[in-house]
Amino acid sequence: DAGVIQSPRHEVTEMGQEVTLRCKPISGHDYLFWYRQTMMRGLELLIYFNNNVPIDDSGMPEDRFSAKMPNASFSTLKIQPSEPRDSAVYFCASSLGGTSGGVGRDTQYFGPGTRLTVL
Amino acid sequence: AQTVTQSQPEMSVQEAETVTLSCTYDTSESNYYLFWYKQPPSRQMILVIRQEAYKQQNATENRFSVNFQKAAKSFSLKISDSQLGDTAMYFCAFTVVFGNEKLTFGTGTRLTIIP
Repeated sequence: DAGVIQSPRHEVTEMGQEVTLRCKPISGHDYLFWYRQTMMRGLELLIYFNNNVPIDDSGMPEDRFSAKMPNASFSTLKIQPSEPRDSAVYFCASSLGGTSGGVGRDTQYFGPGTRLTVL
Repeated sequence: AQTVTQSQPEMSVQEAETVTLSCTYDTSESNYYLFWYKQPPSRQMILVIRQEAYKQQNATENRFSVNFQKAAKSFSLKISDSQLGDTAMYFCAFTVVFGNEKLTFGTGTRLTIIP
């Protein structure tokens, strides 16, 4: 299996621009997660989906952030407008099932991340 | 709320030696899973090992093993015969079974293996 695929790997943009990050989960995985990693806040969950439906978006920092999952093999995280404080590494992860789905099915596999720099 | 604490920001050890990374957590839940993830310079988050809280036996994966002390809420990672490729950030993480599926991470320990 190819693993979780994210694009782009690096993104540099100017403040005020729209940024779209993309993720392809592992085939057959029902859960998809978006995390953000910064020096100040560490790794934090932004939002997660189950069977393409957003379940918990309480970690999304503000209305400038939005995420969609139009089908089982694709998700986007959009920031509009972007700000310098959004600079971070954004990870996508997927799992077969949740913690109620049987031991091991909840293990989250991470993509390589997208390093976003907003100037 | 669940919290995960890694009290060692940085560690270094000679190649082939054994090193132990510490992790403590706080939760009122009784059923949960614990993980160690490795993040090398490539930035990829790689699962090293997982432990189910209901299991008393400590998990092992080749050179990696854990010391899980449920009463003390401690979950340390032991790396035996350390190799240069083990140089990375190591994150301890926690999730509650039948909870919100959220992985709560510690702040990480930067491990350097010295040749």
